[in-house]
Amino acid sequence: NAGVMQNPRHLVRRRGQEARLRCSPMKGHSHVYWYRQLPEEGLKFMVYLQKENIIDESGMPKERFSAEFPKEGPSILRIQQVVRGDSAAYFCASSHGQGEHQPQHFGDGTRLSIL
Amino acid sequence: KQEVTQIPAALSVPEGENLVLNCSFTDSAIYNLQWFRQDPGKGLTSLLLIQSSQREQTSGRLNASLDKSSGRSTLYIAASQPGDSATYLCAVDKAAGNKLTFGGGTRVLVKP
Repeated sequence: NAGVMQNPRHLVRRRGQEARLRCSPMKGHSHVYWYRQLPEEGLKFMVYLQKENIIDESGMPKERFSAEFPKEGPSILRIQQVVRGDSAAYFCASSHGQGEHQPQHFGDGTRLSIL
Repeated sequence: KQEVTQIPAALSVPEGENLVLNCSFTDSAIYNLQWFRQDPGKGLTSLLLIQSSQREQTSGRLNASLDKSSGRSTLYIAASQPGDSATYLCAVDKAAGNKLTFGGGTRVLVKP
C-alpha cells in the first residue's frame, strides 16, 4: 500500500544540464500534480496531469520545463538547461480519478540543487 | 487570483500551551481548505480537510475552523508537545479547477 513515490530524493546538477524528476502515484490514482517549493517560500502549483494528458499547466515556466504522464510508467518533470534559480524542492501529489477535488496525497519530494 | 496568507510566519511556545495558527484567503469561492504538516526534509502530511459547507473539523488535539465569508481559517492545537514542532501549511482548493493554493506556512517550535 505504498504512497506517492518520488525519486531521486536528492539531485545535484550543474548549470546547463538536464534534470529529470520521477513520480509514481499511489495505486489506483490516475491524476498527478507537481508543485515547487522555493527556499523560504510556500508551495506553488506547476502542472496537473492525467494519463497521457496535460490538464492545467498554468504554473509551469514558459521555457525549459515540461511534464508528462505516460500510459505506462511514472510521471516525469523535466527541466532542461538548469539554472541556479531552479534549486528547490519539487513535490508530486496524486489523487483518485473519479471526480474533481479528490484529496491529494503528497510524496516526500525531490530536492534539486544546482551548482 | 487566489492569495493565501499565514500569520505568524513563526511561533515558539512552551510545552503544554495551546497553539493558534491563522490562515486567510482572498477569494471565498473555494471547494475546501486543508491543513498540512511538513517536517524538515519531508513531504506533506494532511491533518484536516474542511469542506466549504462546513464550519469546523476536529481530530484529536487538532481543531480547524472555517469562515468562508470572511476568508479565514484557524488551526488550534491543544496542549502542545515538542513533537508538534513542524511547519504548518494551509491550502485552498478553488471551486473551479483542481489545484491547491498554499500559504507560506507557520513554523512552530514547541520547547520542552
